[in-house]
Amino acid sequence: DTEVTQTPKHLVMGMTNKKSLKCEQHMGHRAMYWYKQKAKKPPELMFVYSYEKLSINESVPSRFSPECPNSSLLNLHLHALQPEDSALYLCASSQGIGTDEKLFFGSGTQLSVL
Amino acid sequence: AQRVTQPEKLLSVFKGAPVELKCNYSYSGSPELFWYVQYSRQRLQLLLRHISRESIKGFTADLNKGETSFHLKKPFAQEEDSAMYYCALRTGANNLFFGTGTRLTVIP
Repeated sequence: DTEVTQTPKHLVMGMTNKKSLKCEQHMGHRAMYWYKQKAKKPPELMFVYSYEKLSINESVPSRFSPECPNSSLLNLHLHALQPEDSALYLCASSQGIGTDEKLFFGSGTQLSVL
Repeated sequence: AQRVTQPEKLLSVFKGAPVELKCNYSYSGSPELFWYVQYSRQRLQLLLRHISRESIKGFTADLNKGETSFHLKKPFAQEEDSAMYYCALRTGANNLFFGTGTRLTVIP
Protein backbone atom coordinates (compact mmCIF):
# COMPACT_ATOMS: atom_id res chain seq x y z
CA ASP A 1 0.00 0.00 0.00
CA THR A 2 1.69 3.19 -1.20
CA GLU A 3 -1.09 5.65 -0.56
CA VAL A 4 -2.07 8.20 2.00
CA THR A 5 -5.79 7.88 2.63
CA GLN A 6 -7.90 10.75 3.91
CA THR A 7 -11.49 10.64 5.13
CA PRO A 8 -13.94 12.13 4.61
CA LYS A 9 -13.42 13.52 1.10
CA HIS A 10 -15.93 16.29 1.75
CA LEU A 11 -17.19 17.82 5.00
CA VAL A 12 -19.70 20.57 5.69
CA MET A 13 -19.94 21.82 9.24
CA GLY A 14 -21.44 24.64 11.23
CA MET A 15 -19.41 26.97 13.40
CA THR A 16 -20.54 25.22 16.59
CA ASN A 17 -19.85 21.69 15.38
CA LYS A 18 -17.02 19.37 16.38
CA LYS A 19 -15.65 17.16 13.67
CA SER A 20 -12.47 15.24 12.89
CA LEU A 21 -10.43 14.65 9.78
CA LYS A 22 -8.60 11.37 9.48
CA CYS A 23 -5.44 10.36 7.67
CA GLU A 24 -3.89 6.92 7.36
CA GLN A 25 -0.76 5.46 5.77
CA HIS A 26 0.72 1.98 5.89
CA MET A 27 4.08 2.68 4.29
CA GLY A 28 5.96 2.68 7.61
CA HIS A 29 6.52 6.43 7.34
CA ARG A 30 7.53 8.13 10.57
CA ALA A 31 6.68 11.74 9.70
CA MET A 32 3.15 12.98 8.98
CA TYR A 33 1.94 16.43 8.04
CA TRP A 34 -1.19 18.55 7.83
CA TYR A 35 -1.37 21.21 5.14
CA LYS A 36 -4.13 23.72 4.41
CA GLN A 37 -4.80 24.80 0.83
CA LYS A 38 -7.14 27.66 -0.01
CA ALA A 39 -8.53 27.93 -3.52
CA LYS A 40 -5.87 28.91 -6.09
CA LYS A 41 -3.21 29.11 -3.37
CA PRO A 42 -0.30 26.80 -2.55
CA PRO A 43 -0.46 24.37 0.35
CA GLU A 44 0.55 25.89 3.69
CA LEU A 45 2.03 23.80 6.45
CA MET A 46 0.02 23.50 9.67
CA PHE A 47 1.55 20.68 11.72
CA VAL A 48 4.32 18.11 11.53
CA TYR A 49 4.47 14.92 13.55
CA SER A 50 7.77 13.12 13.74
CA TYR A 51 7.88 9.70 15.40
CA GLU A 52 4.39 10.38 16.78
CA LYS A 53 5.43 13.59 18.49
CA LEU A 54 4.39 17.06 17.41
CA SER A 55 7.51 18.71 16.05
CA ILE A 56 6.13 21.72 14.22
CA ASN A 57 3.06 23.88 14.86
CA GLU A 58 2.98 26.77 12.42
CA SER A 59 1.09 29.10 14.77
CA VAL A 60 -2.19 27.40 14.01
CA PRO A 61 -5.25 28.55 16.04
CA SER A 62 -6.29 26.24 18.86
CA ARG A 63 -9.59 25.47 17.15
CA PHE A 64 -7.46 23.02 15.14
CA SER A 65 -6.12 20.21 17.31
CA PRO A 66 -3.92 17.50 15.81
CA GLU A 67 -3.52 14.03 17.20
CA CYS A 68 -1.25 11.15 16.24
CA PRO A 69 -2.55 8.01 17.98
CA ASN A 70 0.06 5.79 16.34
CA SER A 71 2.59 5.83 13.53
CA SER A 72 -0.04 5.08 10.87
CA LEU A 73 -2.77 7.51 11.88
CA LEU A 74 -3.08 11.26 12.02
CA ASN A 75 -6.22 13.11 13.04
CA LEU A 76 -7.19 16.76 12.93
CA HIS A 77 -9.90 17.69 15.39
CA LEU A 78 -11.98 20.72 14.49
CA HIS A 79 -14.03 22.84 16.89
CA ALA A 80 -15.66 26.25 16.61
CA LEU A 81 -14.29 26.89 13.14
CA GLN A 82 -14.86 30.06 11.17
CA PRO A 83 -16.05 30.37 7.57
CA GLU A 84 -12.54 31.48 6.57
CA ASP A 85 -11.29 28.05 7.62
CA SER A 86 -13.03 26.58 4.58
CA ALA A 87 -10.27 24.99 2.50
CA LEU A 88 -8.78 21.75 1.25
CA TYR A 89 -6.94 20.00 4.07
CA LEU A 90 -4.11 17.81 2.88
CA CYS A 91 -2.33 15.10 4.81
CA ALA A 92 1.12 13.94 3.80
CA SER A 93 3.72 11.52 5.05
CA SER A 94 7.43 10.90 4.55
CA GLN A 95 9.72 8.08 5.49
CA GLY A 96 11.80 10.22 7.79
CA ILE A 97 12.58 13.80 8.55
CA GLY A 98 15.60 14.40 6.37
CA THR A 99 15.58 17.47 4.20
CA ASP A 100 15.61 15.44 0.99
CA GLU A 101 12.61 13.35 1.96
CA LYS A 102 9.83 12.84 -0.55
CA LEU A 103 6.35 13.69 0.68
CA PHE A 104 3.40 11.50 -0.25
CA PHE A 105 0.13 13.42 -0.27
CA GLY A 106 -3.43 12.31 0.27
CA SER A 107 -6.22 13.54 -1.96
CA GLY A 108 -7.48 15.86 0.74
CA THR A 109 -10.64 16.71 2.63
CA GLN A 110 -12.63 19.61 1.18
CA LEU A 111 -14.01 21.42 4.22
CA SER A 112 -16.82 23.98 4.11
CA VAL A 113 -17.69 25.91 7.27
CA LEU A 114 -21.11 27.53 7.25
CA ALA B 1 13.11 33.95 6.10
CA GLN B 2 12.59 31.56 3.23
CA ARG B 3 10.66 32.36 0.10
CA VAL B 4 9.85 30.57 -3.14
CA THR B 5 8.81 32.63 -6.13
CA GLN B 6 7.15 31.33 -9.27
CA PRO B 7 6.60 34.42 -11.41
CA GLU B 8 4.20 32.87 -13.92
CA LYS B 9 0.74 31.85 -12.72
CA LEU B 10 -0.19 30.59 -16.18
CA LEU B 11 1.98 29.27 -18.99
CA SER B 12 0.80 27.98 -22.36
CA VAL B 13 3.02 26.27 -24.92
CA PHE B 14 2.35 24.29 -28.07
CA LYS B 15 2.91 20.55 -28.16
CA GLY B 16 6.48 19.80 -29.12
CA ALA B 17 7.77 23.21 -28.03
CA PRO B 18 10.30 23.62 -25.23
CA VAL B 19 8.95 24.57 -21.84
CA GLU B 20 10.58 26.28 -18.88
CA LEU B 21 8.84 26.91 -15.58
CA LYS B 22 10.70 29.43 -13.48
CA CYS B 23 11.43 29.16 -9.78
CA ASN B 24 13.57 31.42 -7.62
CA TYR B 25 14.20 30.97 -3.94
CA SER B 26 15.48 32.88 -0.99
CA TYR B 27 16.97 30.95 1.92
CA SER B 28 19.96 31.60 4.16
CA GLY B 29 20.82 27.91 4.61
CA SER B 30 21.68 25.16 2.19
CA PRO B 31 18.53 24.63 0.11
CA GLU B 32 16.82 21.39 -0.76
CA LEU B 33 14.53 22.02 -3.72
CA PHE B 34 11.73 20.03 -5.27
CA TRP B 35 9.17 20.21 -8.02
CA TYR B 36 5.72 18.84 -7.19
CA VAL B 37 2.99 18.38 -9.79
CA GLN B 38 -0.77 18.05 -9.62
CA TYR B 39 -2.52 16.62 -12.68
CA SER B 40 -6.24 17.15 -13.10
CA ARG B 41 -8.23 15.21 -10.47
CA GLN B 42 -5.08 13.66 -9.03
CA ARG B 43 -3.23 14.22 -5.80
CA LEU B 44 -0.14 16.35 -5.42
CA GLN B 45 2.95 14.26 -6.15
CA LEU B 46 6.69 14.67 -6.33
CA LEU B 47 8.08 15.21 -9.81
CA LEU B 48 11.75 15.55 -9.01
CA ARG B 49 14.23 16.75 -6.42
CA HIS B 50 17.49 18.52 -7.03
CA ILE B 51 19.56 16.20 -4.88
CA SER B 52 18.75 13.26 -7.15
CA ARG B 53 19.80 15.08 -10.33
CA GLU B 54 17.29 12.92 -12.19
CA SER B 55 15.13 13.32 -15.25
CA ILE B 56 11.49 12.41 -14.76
CA LYS B 57 9.04 12.32 -17.67
CA GLY B 58 11.60 14.25 -19.69
CA PHE B 59 11.79 17.08 -17.14
CA THR B 60 15.04 18.29 -15.60
CA ALA B 61 15.86 21.02 -13.12
CA ASP B 62 19.25 22.37 -12.19
CA LEU B 63 19.95 24.19 -8.97
CA ASN B 64 21.80 27.43 -9.68
CA LYS B 65 22.98 28.79 -6.35
CA GLY B 66 24.44 31.91 -7.93
CA GLU B 67 21.10 32.91 -9.40
CA THR B 68 19.13 31.19 -6.60
CA SER B 69 17.03 29.45 -9.19
CA PHE B 70 15.65 25.97 -9.82
CA HIS B 71 13.90 26.23 -13.16
CA LEU B 72 12.05 23.21 -14.55
CA LYS B 73 12.70 22.41 -18.20
CA LYS B 74 11.54 19.99 -20.86
CA PRO B 75 12.71 20.15 -24.48
CA PHE B 76 9.47 18.92 -26.09
CA ALA B 77 6.18 19.48 -24.25
CA GLN B 78 3.46 16.83 -24.41
CA GLU B 79 -0.28 17.27 -23.86
CA GLU B 80 -0.12 15.06 -20.77
CA ASP B 81 2.25 17.59 -19.18
CA SER B 82 -0.66 19.98 -18.64
CA ALA B 83 -0.91 20.36 -14.87
CA MET B 84 -0.23 22.60 -11.90
CA TYR B 85 3.45 22.73 -10.99
CA TYR B 86 4.74 23.80 -7.59
CA CYS B 87 8.34 24.56 -6.76
CA ALA B 88 9.09 23.79 -3.11
CA LEU B 89 11.91 24.50 -0.69
CA ARG B 90 12.69 22.23 2.23
CA THR B 91 14.40 23.83 5.21
CA GLY B 92 16.30 22.11 7.99
CA ALA B 93 13.25 22.49 10.20
CA ASN B 94 11.54 19.67 8.35
CA ASN B 95 9.26 22.12 6.63
CA LEU B 96 8.30 22.27 2.97
CA PHE B 97 7.46 25.70 1.59
CA PHE B 98 5.59 25.85 -1.69
CA GLY B 99 5.67 28.54 -4.33
CA THR B 100 2.39 29.89 -5.65
CA GLY B 101 2.40 27.47 -8.55
CA THR B 102 2.34 27.66 -12.34
CA ARG B 103 -0.48 26.16 -14.35
CA LEU B 104 0.96 24.73 -17.54
CA THR B 105 -1.28 24.18 -20.53
CA VAL B 106 0.10 22.34 -23.53
CA ILE B 107 -1.87 23.23 -26.65
CA PRO B 108 -2.33 20.38 -29.16
